[in-house]
Amino acid sequence: EVQLVESGGGLVQPGRSLKLSCAASGFTFSNYYMAWVRQAPKKGLEWVATISTSGSRTYYPDSVKGRFTISRDNAKSSLYLQMNSLKSEDTATYYCARHHRYNYYFDYWGQGVMVTVSS
Amino acid sequence: QITLTQQAESLWVSPGEKVSITCRASQSLLYTDGKHYLSWYQQRPGQTTKALIYHASIRTDGVPTRFIGSGSGTEFTLSIEDVQPEDIALYYCLQTLKKPYTFGAGTKLELK
Repeated sequence: EVQLVESGGGLVQPGRSLKLSCAASGFTFSNYYMAWVRQAPKKGLEWVATISTSGSRTYYPDSVKGRFTISRDNAKSSLYLQMNSLKSEDTATYYCARHHRYNYYFDYWGQGVMVTVSS
Repeated sequence: QITLTQQAESLWVSPGEKVSITCRASQSLLYTDGKHYLSWYQQRPGQTTKALIYHASIRTDGVPTRFIGSGSGTEFTLSIEDVQPEDIALYYCLQTLKKPYTFGAGTKLELK
């Protein structure tokens, strides 16, 4: 059974940093692109980052480019999101999601972890 | 970037009815491979987000046949026939044709 379990969320002050983790199990992690998607309170979904199987290619929207870094450790079946220079608008639930191996959609999602940016 | 518009914030439905959720893209989601890069997702409280449809009309494994994806170009529809109580949820469309990937604002399905 595919499982994605996020951790590392919490309350952080504006301008500070936080690193999220996602532990994957139930599949060969190194074979899949992975992503982070977020959802601000009572708002819709926003794609945050995608990483290739080897980690050599990463993609971000402008809203987080230069502040967030997605990375992975295939030996540990883990995905990470380093978030720097956090802003109040980064407050959201962050979901780890798996890209389908052959088709362009997110086929599995985690339960999410809450990040609150506030002084 | 490509904007996806789900005009209905909420739709009210009774069990057994059919409902359609629409998603309009600011440009065609048809790629040169003949596929539309549009997928649909369901969010229910306390559950992980579930992929329902990809490439506009293909159901993912295990999704009931009452969920039907249709459309082409810039206009797409998720139809749910014979709505069940467990279908009460938030529904989102997503385009993965071009980065940044973008979602629609979501449509909440509610019981009458």
